[in-house]
Amino acid sequence: DSGVTQTPKHLITATGQRVTLRCSPRSGDLSVYWYQQSLDQGLQFLIQYYNGEERAKGNILERFSAQQFPDLHSELNLSSLELGDSALYFCASSVGATGDTGELFFGEGSRLTVL
Amino acid sequence: DQQVKQNSPSLSVQEGRISILNCDYTNSMFDYFLWYKKYPAEGPTFLISISSIKDKNEDGRFTVFLNKSAKHLSLHIVPSQPGDSAVYFCAASGGYYSGYALNFGKGTSLLVTP
Repeated sequence: DSGVTQTPKHLITATGQRVTLRCSPRSGDLSVYWYQQSLDQGLQFLIQYYNGEERAKGNILERFSAQQFPDLHSELNLSSLELGDSALYFCASSVGATGDTGELFFGEGSRLTVL
Repeated sequence: DQQVKQNSPSLSVQEGRISILNCDYTNSMFDYFLWYKKYPAEGPTFLISISSIKDKNEDGRFTVFLNKSAKHLSLHIVPSQPGDSAVYFCAASGGYYSGYALNFGKGTSLLVTP
C-alpha cells in the first residue's frame, strides 16, 4: 500500500461526457502528479501540482484540467471525452517539489473506459 | 516524442539466471534515473535509482548501470526469481525546471520461469 488513494477505480462513460478523477496523496506529501497510461504506451506525464500551485505541465490536452485543493487532494477533470481517452490514469505523490531522490509513490490507478 | 525508450517489450529468463533490462534516453538534461516495477492491478513501485554523477548503484539483487556518453542505462537482476515477473519501467527526471516530473519508457514485461 503506497498510501496514495485514487477514486474511482473503474469508470465507464460515453463520448462527449465529463468525468472527475480524485487523488489523495500520502500523508505529508505536498506534490501530486497525474499520469496517463494508454494501451501499449508508457506512463505519459500530464501535470504536477505542488502545495496547491501548478508546478510542471506535460502532454495534457486542453480538454483536461486539474487542481490541488488546500487539503492537498487533487482532482483531474476530463471533458468532451473521446474514445482515445480510454486509459489508466495514475496519481502519484512525493514529499516536495524538488522530488528528493525522484521517487514517486503511485496509487493503484483509475481505469476510464469511454464507449 | 518518446524521450525514454525501452526497446524490448518483453523478456523471458529462467529462474536463477541474470535478467538484463535496457533503457535509452535522448535528453541530455536528464540527471536522475529510476526503475519502477509494476504488478497487474497495482500502481508502479520504486525499485532502484541512480544519479547522473554515478555509473553504478546496487541494492541487493538489483544493480543499475548508467552510461552517460551512450545515454543508456540497464537494470541487472541476479539471481532472477519468479516473483520478479512484472513490468519494469525505466524513468528519467529532468531536474528542477521540470518539477522533477518523471519521463517513463513504455515498459518491459519480464517473465521469470521456474
